[in-house]
Amino acid sequence: GQNIDQPTEMTATEGAIVQINCTYQTSGFNGLFWYQQHAGEAPTFLSYNVLDGLEEKGRFSSFLSRSKGYSYLLLKELQMKDSASYLCAVRDDKIIFGKGTRLHILP
Amino acid sequence: GAVVSQHPSWVICKSGTSVKIECRSLDFQATTMFWYRQFPKQSLMLMATSNEGSKATYEQGVEKDKFLINHASLTLSTLTVTSAHPEDSSFYICSARGSGTHAYNEQFFGPGTRLTVL
Repeated sequence: GQNIDQPTEMTATEGAIVQINCTYQTSGFNGLFWYQQHAGEAPTFLSYNVLDGLEEKGRFSSFLSRSKGYSYLLLKELQMKDSASYLCAVRDDKIIFGKGTRLHILP
Repeated sequence: GAVVSQHPSWVICKSGTSVKIECRSLDFQATTMFWYRQFPKQSLMLMATSNEGSKATYEQGVEKDKFLINHASLTLSTLTVTSAHPEDSSFYICSARGSGTHAYNEQFFGPGTRLTVL
């Protein structure tokens, strides 16, 4: 079966750093995605990992450990506009989403 | 990147009517399209996968007779919600994937359609 776990909600302060964890158990694996979704909008692509290690892209970084079935999304220098849901998704033949983490940013 | 459009962006209908949602890949040929549904404060749930010219594959718990999917061309897939009821009110998002590439972003998402059934 497919199981993707991530925290339901997190709160952080503007300017700080936050790490959102994701663990997965899937029948197959062909990459892990992180998406950002603002309320009422479709998800937008943030990052993709298929090999172990850290991928950095500006303020956002994503890490993957395939042996541990684990990933995290790291957000630095948090801004108010980063308040959104962050979806961890795993691709086998299709992309399956986790339930998302709602991130609240406090001023 | 590739562009996927959906129409309409939102729709309100009466209970018992049918609603059709279109998903188009604008600048690439989509051999496979995926339909997701998202209820408020929940994540995207895959409903079905459709390959051009063949019947859709539905996920467990999704009624194929209620959610009719047609993928008649390489650029268009439609989802018809038949005899819609208030519990079908949701955000429907399609995603399209082309053929012959192994790029990480080969599955592209549409902007979504918000359906409200009164």
